[in-house]
Amino acid sequence: EAAVTQSPRNKVTVTGGNVTLSCRQTNSHNYMYWYRQDTGHGLRLIHYSYGAGNLQIGDVPDGYKATRTTQEDFFLLLELASPSQTSLYFCASSDGGNTEVFFGKGTRLTVV
Amino acid sequence: GEKVEQHESTLSVREGDSAVINCTYTDTASSYFPWYKQEAGKSLHFVIDIRSNVDRKQSQRLIVLLDKKAKRFSLHITATQPEDSAIYFCAATHNNAGAKLTFGGGTRLTVRP
Repeated sequence: EAAVTQSPRNKVTVTGGNVTLSCRQTNSHNYMYWYRQDTGHGLRLIHYSYGAGNLQIGDVPDGYKATRTTQEDFFLLLELASPSQTSLYFCASSDGGNTEVFFGKGTRLTVV
Repeated sequence: GEKVEQHESTLSVREGDSAVINCTYTDTASSYFPWYKQEAGKSLHFVIDIRSNVDRKQSQRLIVLLDKKAKRFSLHITATQPEDSAIYFCAATHNNAGAKLTFGGGTRLTVRP
């Protein structure tokens, strides 16, 4: 069973705070993704990567950095968190191309 | 870039009836159209997909139709059951999109007993 593990599962931070969301996949997939889910917007792609050291910009990258340290690990960084970044964040992985994407269980981030 | 619109934000059907969720896309180069299901409080998982070389695909009670001319695709769930209640997301991508899926806004399907 393909596995994508996110941590933490829940996080509360203050405006201006520094947050790192972690994701590890054990699928041996090349591609990893960070999405945010907001009511009415579906899932929107923040950043993605096709291998260690690679980073691609998604559709809503402002205010986010990401880093892919290994094939397994992909991190999302919010260096100056704002209330507009309160959301449910999903990490995912895939083999790329037109193949199934496997999602983690999500991280609920609240910025107060 | 690609935009995917999901026309029904909510849908309610009676158990045993069919449910239809419609999506449109804008990029004529899109060639792969998956659907994902999100049950309450859970993550998303893949349910079915269709590629642009066919216009219909069926997997048990799920049917996907693709109309490339209209840039429209739809998910049909036949003989609905309570466990079909969930949020369904359509998505689109193409070979040159770098494996970047664009999702619709989601449809919350409720199957009433």
